[in-house]
Amino acid sequence: ELKVEQNPLFLSMQEGKNYTIYCNYSTTSDRLYWYRQDPGKSLESLFVLLSNGAVKQEGRLMASLDTKARLSTLHITAAVHDLSATYFCAVDPFMDTGRRALTFGSGTRLQVQP
Amino acid sequence: EPEVTQTPSHQVTQMGQEVILRCVPISNHLYFYWYRQILGQKVEFLVSFYNNEISEKSEIFDDQFSVERPDGSNFTLKIRSTKLEDSAMYFCASSAGTTDTQYFGPGTRLTVL
Repeated sequence: ELKVEQNPLFLSMQEGKNYTIYCNYSTTSDRLYWYRQDPGKSLESLFVLLSNGAVKQEGRLMASLDTKARLSTLHITAAVHDLSATYFCAVDPFMDTGRRALTFGSGTRLQVQP
Repeated sequence: EPEVTQTPSHQVTQMGQEVILRCVPISNHLYFYWYRQILGQKVEFLVSFYNNEISEKSEIFDDQFSVERPDGSNFTLKIRSTKLEDSAMYFCASSAGTTDTQYFGPGTRLTVL
């Protein structure tokens, strides 16, 4: 069974600080997604990481993928309050199972304090 | 920008009743999905649909659930006899191809009393 583990599950940080969210997964995969979810809202696609060593950046967020370590990171630089949300990583298990059903991590609830 | 839409946004039903949740995927997308998220928990895959048939389904997607594409635009999830534990947010998603990003709709919050 594919396991996707995120940590931390909850992160309270001050504006201006940097932090990293980690996503470990248990299967062979070359495709990983990061989504953002605001309370009561849908999932907004942030990044799609398609190969080992992939790095993508958008504003204060940067995501990377190490398929050998089965690890993805989402790095937050100089956090601002608008980044407060829950962040999910989701693994595409196709390489391992031939299935496209995404398996999500538990989410990291980020709270940025002024 | 094209987006996935879902109706209703909130559905309240009595246990044992049938509900139909509706989705309109992005118009040129070919792959459709349903996921659910019980309050405070992770998002779970239910089913994927391509070429008018189910291509994958999870253990959650038992005989109480069915999906249909009744016309060229709608994609529906039916729960035949709802249980209390079916209360959740149900998300529809679509993608252009199997290797493409899945775009999620705003969700339908289902409350079973």
